[in-house]
Amino acid sequence: KAGVTQTPRYLIKTRGQQVTLSCSPISGHRSVSWYQQTPGQGLQFLFEYFSETQRNKGNFPGRFSGRQFSNSRSEMNVSTLELGDSALYLCASSLLLGSGETQYFGPGTRLLVL
Amino acid sequence: QQQVKQSPQSLIVQKGGISIINCAYENTAFDYFPWYQQFPGKGPALLIAIRPDVSEKKEGRFTISFNKSAKQFSLHIMDSQPGDSATYFCAASVQGAQKLVFGQGTRLTINP
Repeated sequence: KAGVTQTPRYLIKTRGQQVTLSCSPISGHRSVSWYQQTPGQGLQFLFEYFSETQRNKGNFPGRFSGRQFSNSRSEMNVSTLELGDSALYLCASSLLLGSGETQYFGPGTRLLVL
Repeated sequence: QQQVKQSPQSLIVQKGGISIINCAYENTAFDYFPWYQQFPGKGPALLIAIRPDVSEKKEGRFTISFNKSAKQFSLHIMDSQPGDSATYFCAASVQGAQKLVFGQGTRLTINP
């Protein structure tokens, strides 16, 4: 079974631009979560989706948004990019939603904002 | 109260030795405690996980010890191998929630 795939793998943007990242979960998985990883802040939860509904959101500004489609694929969007948005963005999928559900992470999208 | 504190930040162990990484938490609503392993250029991968009703869980060379009263848990890697060199993250989640709260990570280096 194929793992979680994320596209693109690398991205360079300039301040003020917007970006859309894509995540395809493991086949059959219905829950998708997004995390931001930086050297300073570590791994921080962005949001989680289940059945096309956002179930939980982390402490990030409204510039960060996401959605999930009926095939469980998910996208996240960051508008008006800032230098501090440079990070590795990780997507994780799980079969169901809930504590204890194993989350399988993709390789991430590395975003550099210049 | 949502924090998970992890130590040490970095650890060097000789091949064959025991690697120990510790985590502490404050939120007593946490009910699931996984450990993730991350290699450079890869996403984190689940290594082993424990619930607070169990004090220890062992899978191969990896053991989680859990102390509910002290709100601490630790990862022990027995017979550490160079292939274990990676960054390890402890995490926790609240009952009914998917969101993982991660520790800051420990960069483990196993010297041959």
